[in-house]
Amino acid sequence: QMNLQESGPGLVRPSETLSLTCTVSGGSIDVHYCNWIRQSPGRGLEWIGYIYYDGSTKFNPSLKTRITMSVDRSENQFSLKVNSVAAADTAVYYCATSKGLQFYGLDVWGHGTSVTVSS
Amino acid sequence: DIQMTQSPSSVSASVGDRVTITCRASQGIGIWLAWYQQKPGEAPRVLIQRATNLQSGVPSRFSGSVSGTDFTLTISSLQPEDFASYYCQQANSFPLTFGGGTKVEIK
Repeated sequence: QMNLQESGPGLVRPSETLSLTCTVSGGSIDVHYCNWIRQSPGRGLEWIGYIYYDGSTKFNPSLKTRITMSVDRSENQFSLKVNSVAAADTAVYYCATSKGLQFYGLDVWGHGTSVTVSS
Repeated sequence: DIQMTQSPSSVSASVGDRVTITCRASQGIGIWLAWYQQKPGEAPRVLIQRATNLQSGVPSRFSGSVSGTDFTLTISSLQPEDFASYYCQQANSFPLTFGGGTKVEIK
């Protein structure tokens, strides 16, 4: 059974960069789509994007100019960076994997990590 | 972006009730829709993929159906552990988008 765990700072200053890592255990991220999703009271669930195990990416156009994703297959981890953060980026951030987004949905999720953007 | 309009936003129901939640896509998405359940403080978990396919381990009281751009999640006999929020999500095109959610509350 694959398990995901997000890690990163819970507080980020405005205009700085938010950095999160998702560590996968109990299975390999090979042949998986590694997604980031965030949830806030004002915006609901928002898909940020994915990085495939081969490094290819697809981002939400609403965030595309501010995000970077990377994958480390040797460590079974993938990461998200959001730069120039503002209060609107305050949310619970989830990582989630899928072997096929259409066939399987987002079928394994981390517990989520709360990120607050504030000075 | 494809908009997913979910209704109702909340429903009060009793144990044993039949509950129906609907999701309408702003354009055709075929069968590419998933339903998720989320309990407070937890991550969402997938219940149904491809509009009607029950995820392994999900009780059979959950079912999904589709008619054109209208999708339905039905809980045939509500159980205490089913009080939660439910979300639809389209997987037809990027960006993936979610419905606004339906909170199922105890009557």
